[in-house]
Amino acid sequence: GAGVSQTPSNKVTEKGKYVELRCDPISGHTALYWYRQSLGQGPEFLIYFQGTGAADDSGLPNDRFFAVRPEGSVSTLKIQRTERGDSAVYLCASSWSGESGRETQYFGPGTRLLVL
Amino acid sequence: TQLLEQSPQFLSIQEGENLTVYCNSSSVFSSLQWYRQEPGEGPVLLVTVVTGGEVKKLKRLTFQFGDARKDSSLHITAAQPGDTGLYLCAGARAGTYKYIFGTGTRLKVLA
Repeated sequence: GAGVSQTPSNKVTEKGKYVELRCDPISGHTALYWYRQSLGQGPEFLIYFQGTGAADDSGLPNDRFFAVRPEGSVSTLKIQRTERGDSAVYLCASSWSGESGRETQYFGPGTRLLVL
Repeated sequence: TQLLEQSPQFLSIQEGENLTVYCNSSSVFSSLQWYRQEPGEGPVLLVTVVTGGEVKKLKRLTFQFGDARKDSSLHITAAQPGDTGLYLCAGARAGTYKYIFGTGTRLKVLA
């Protein structure tokens, strides 16, 4: 497909477990963003990648959250020792270069994480 | 912390009515975007405004960026049931490429 894809679409885990969420951006897009969206809220910025490097990770809530993008394409958001408060929809978006602050971000459908 | 406050939070109107959604901040943004999000999907970009006072039209939707680039509005004329969804504004501050999203306005248009 031509759009941003995210897997899994739903993830149920138990408190304390480790989870990985995957994002496949649009081919050729160098900028990739992760957001977290709680019920009834707007997306909350987590981290922004420019190529392989994290250009801005100021939105990661604590050191349990980590994200990688080793080859500048697919990205994985990793959450250690999950807590019930981590339950949310995790959205990924990509854009062509991310260098103007005016580009179109293309969002994936999100991964719905539920921590029991 | 949400730096962009949207109002109203919820809006339920009849088909054919007009409405305005507001996005306000105390911060200056270099650009501001409006998105619409439907259940189970990611947000979809509607428009980007970059110049203070700029007005853009997209069919029945009119977007305005405030002169000081701190606020924006979305006006929908003759709303239709297909306009139902969550409307989000998002701003990028100068020198950063981090988008800050607003609190969202949930619109329901009744046939």
